[in-house]
Amino acid sequence: NAGVTQTPKFRILKIGQSMTLQCTQDMNHNYMYWYRQDPGMGLKLIYYSVGAGITDKGEVPNGYNVSRSTTEDFPLRLELAAPSQTSVYFCASILRGGNDEKLFFGSGTQLSVL
Amino acid sequence: LAKTTQPISMDSYEGQEVNITCSHNNIATNDYITWYQQFPSQGPRFIIQGYKTKVTNEVASLFIPADRKSSTLSLPRVSLSDTAVYYCLVGGVSGGYNKLIFGAGTRLAVHP
Repeated sequence: NAGVTQTPKFRILKIGQSMTLQCTQDMNHNYMYWYRQDPGMGLKLIYYSVGAGITDKGEVPNGYNVSRSTTEDFPLRLELAAPSQTSVYFCASILRGGNDEKLFFGSGTQLSVL
Repeated sequence: LAKTTQPISMDSYEGQEVNITCSHNNIATNDYITWYQQFPSQGPRFIIQGYKTKVTNEVASLFIPADRKSSTLSLPRVSLSDTAVYYCLVGGVSGGYNKLIFGAGTRLAVHP
């Protein structure tokens, strides 16, 4: 299994541009999460999904959108990028409902908005 | 939501045992306690998980008192490669809340 795969690994955007961060998992996990991590800081939850077709806001959802059309994919959309969105973005998935619940993280996307 | 509080940073030396305590006063009945480790430029990775008493695996032990309002991650004989940020996460299993919110974490520095 590849686990959680994020693309791209790095991206530079200009202010006002938009882009989609891709996240896919091959573990048949039902829940997926998007976090952002600013330099030297902890993880902040942006959005999460408990299954295909169901998404909900986290702590810092403004400026982002998500969709979950399949179990495997959970893309994060940035509209009108701003410098405040410069961060490292991590996607994670977890199989909720079992005896051993743990998050699996992707390797991250480093985004700079200039 | 169970809020967690950890020390911001800790220092240790190679070969010592390190104990990191996490406070979670409003933990719910269904909540498990999970610890993650994060190296620079990487996503966090699972270390250990428990519900009550003591759990031990090949890399760490987790001590949870009877009231479950805190937990302690114990790393035996740390090495330089244990320098990382450690996060305590409290979340429900099968019916607990769905938002998995991380605290600020504890930055552990291991010195030679």
